[in-house]
Amino acid sequence: EIVLTQSPGTLSLSPGERATLSCRASQSVSSSILGWYQQKPGQAPRLLIYGASSRATGIPDRFSGSGSGTDFTLTISRLEPEDFAVYYCQQHSISPPTYPFGQGTKLEIK
Amino acid sequence: QVQLQQSGPGLVKPSQTLSLTCAISGDSVSSNSATWHWIRQSPSRGLEWLGRTYYRSEWFKDCAVSVKSRMTINPDTSKNQFSLQLNSMTPEDTAIYYCARTVAGTGVFQIWGQGTMVTVSS
Repeated sequence: EIVLTQSPGTLSLSPGERATLSCRASQSVSSSILGWYQQKPGQAPRLLIYGASSRATGIPDRFSGSGSGTDFTLTISRLEPEDFAVYYCQQHSISPPTYPFGQGTKLEIK
Repeated sequence: QVQLQQSGPGLVKPSQTLSLTCAISGDSVSSNSATWHWIRQSPSRGLEWLGRTYYRSEWFKDCAVSVKSRMTINPDTSKNQFSLQLNSMTPEDTAIYYCARTVAGTGVFQIWGQGTMVTVSS
C-alpha cells in the first residue's frame, strides 16, 4: 500500500507569508488522483485541490498545487488568518481500492 | 447543492455493533457517477478510509483490509442513504466517523458529512 508522508509536521508562519507544504509518496502515484484538504478544529476536511493542481470550487487562487510522481506540493501564496489549520494530502489506488491520507501538516501562526 | 447528514449513536459498548447512517440530499445514492464512502479519524490512526459503495448498473461494495471482516456498508435506495455497520467494537475504534462522496474519475472527497464522534466504552 502507498504511504504518504507530509513535511514539515508543523509550520510556523505569519500572515502575508508564503507557505510550502510537501507530500511524498512511497511509490510513484498518478497525479490525476492526488488531493489536498484543509481541516479546522471541529470541522470535516475541506477539499482544496484535486488532480494535484486543480482548485476545487470556491477555493481562492492563493492556493495552488503542483508535483508529479512521488513529490507533491501545496503552496499558499500569501497567508490569510483563516488559512491556519491542518492540511492533508490524499491519494487513491484502484486495485485493491485504497484511499490513503498523509499524517497532516499543522500550519500555525508565528 | 449536495449535502450529507449523518446520524447514529455517540457511545458504543465494547463488543457491540456500531450503526451509522448517511442521508443524501442533492444527489442519488444510485448515481452512476458518484461513490459513497465511510472514513474515520483518530489521533492514533489519523484519517483512515473504511469502505465504499457505488452503483454502476449493479451495486459494488469494498472495505479496507483493516476492517473488512467486521464492516458492512449498505445503500438504501428507498431513503436515499447509505449505512455503516462495524461489529465487535473495541476502544481502538473510538474516532470521528465521516461519510463522504467522490465523483467518478477524481478519487478525492468533495463532499463530507458533519462527522459523528463515536466512543467505545463500557
